[in-house]
Amino acid sequence: KQEVTQIPAALSVPEGENLVLNCSFTDSAIYNLQWFRQDPGKGLTSLLLIQSSQREQTSGRLNASLDKSSGRSTLYIAASQPGDSATYLCAVGNNDMRFGAGTRLTVKP
Amino acid sequence: EAEVAQSPRYKITEKSQAVAFWCDPISGHATLYWYRQILGQGPELLVQFQDESVVDDSQLPKDRFSAERLKGVDSTLKIQPAELGDSAMYLCASSLEWGGSTGELFFGEGSRLTVL
Repeated sequence: KQEVTQIPAALSVPEGENLVLNCSFTDSAIYNLQWFRQDPGKGLTSLLLIQSSQREQTSGRLNASLDKSSGRSTLYIAASQPGDSATYLCAVGNNDMRFGAGTRLTVKP
Repeated sequence: EAEVAQSPRYKITEKSQAVAFWCDPISGHATLYWYRQILGQGPELLVQFQDESVVDDSQLPKDRFSAERLKGVDSTLKIQPAELGDSAMYLCASSLEWGGSTGELFFGEGSRLTVL
């Protein structure tokens, strides 16, 4: 069974810092890895999707990389802003997606 | 912009009562998912539909939960009777692709259930 781990569980940084969130998974036979953002009490917003043939995706200040062989993905956030404060979740899988518990990010002004 | 619609946004019920959640996926999305998210945890898959067919309900507590997607479009998730441990956010998601690749998942705003 796929196990997804996200480290750290929580992170607090001052505004402007670059930061990295980590996601690891146990079964490397995946088609997709997707990063989401979740604000308190809300649904999940898709940030980036990396398909199995890809190694990274970029959107604005966000960059996600995927290393299937080591079972790892990182989400890099450049020049963090208070509006980036949220929980970030990664999901991996094939026809079904399994989630980590998320990293709760706080960006302080 | 197309969205996944869910209702109700909030539901408070007493234990042993019945509750139902509704989801309308993005138009054209064949695959529909119901997830449950307990506070502080990641979403866990309850049931997955491809069109009107269930393709995975292995984590659905079938003694009290049921889900249907009769015409392959919108879906209903029902709990009867509700228990205290069912308090959670129920999230619906949809995706365009199947056949080996999920495609990008799109989520609704969720339905927050509180069982008293």
